[in-house]
Amino acid sequence: QTVVTQEPSFSVSPGGTVILTCGLSSGSVSANNYPSWYQQTPGQPPRTLIDSSNTRSSGVPDRFSGSILGNKAALIITGAQADDDCDYYCVLYMGNDIWAFGGGTKLTVL
Amino acid sequence: EEQLVESGGGLVQPGGSLRLSCAASGFTFSQYWMGWVRQAPGKGLEWVGNIKQDGSRKVYVDSVKGRFTLSRDNAKNSMSLQMDSLRGEDTAVYYCARWITAPAHAMDVWGQGTTVTVSS
Repeated sequence: QTVVTQEPSFSVSPGGTVILTCGLSSGSVSANNYPSWYQQTPGQPPRTLIDSSNTRSSGVPDRFSGSILGNKAALIITGAQADDDCDYYCVLYMGNDIWAFGGGTKLTVL
Repeated sequence: EEQLVESGGGLVQPGGSLRLSCAASGFTFSQYWMGWVRQAPGKGLEWVGNIKQDGSRKVYVDSVKGRFTLSRDNAKNSMSLQMDSLRGEDTAVYYCARWITAPAHAMDVWGQGTTVTVSS
């Protein structure tokens, strides 16, 4: 069974750029996987960052962007800030109306 | 304001049943796929299942197939998740979410979640 993969953790310095990826344990991510990205802070519901057309949700700063880089979907954060220190999840379309989350990436800004 | 409010969570014994509800407001509920996402304590998000606008298509993650059932009432702007044969691994916060599906895909509105605890 194909699994959605994300880096378990990542670290970035304030003001730095980080690229979080979302892949498949078997095969490549393409636009047909409709990748989207979500941010979650402890005790809160997820917040939608970017949809599959790489459009930011209302209120999401433009330092967040989405893309497909190589064989993975990517969430790019440019100019990381302290309040970006939280968890990030991607979701991919797996076919037959089935979706799957990645395991999430815990981003540390320090 | 577009809003989703979950209810129905609680403590249930293994093998028991629980019915979660999701009340929608501020948007035309019947125009959207809807779904449930859960998060076990200290774990990541897991997609549970989705239901099509008219309820004609329901899909689930393998781990809940045959035990969980999605339904919706467009006249009441509500969706339900009937959970039977509950197991300890079903313990989680359950979030209701709205899906946009054209032209882009994403869950764009989320509820605050309701907690389900399966324990004896």
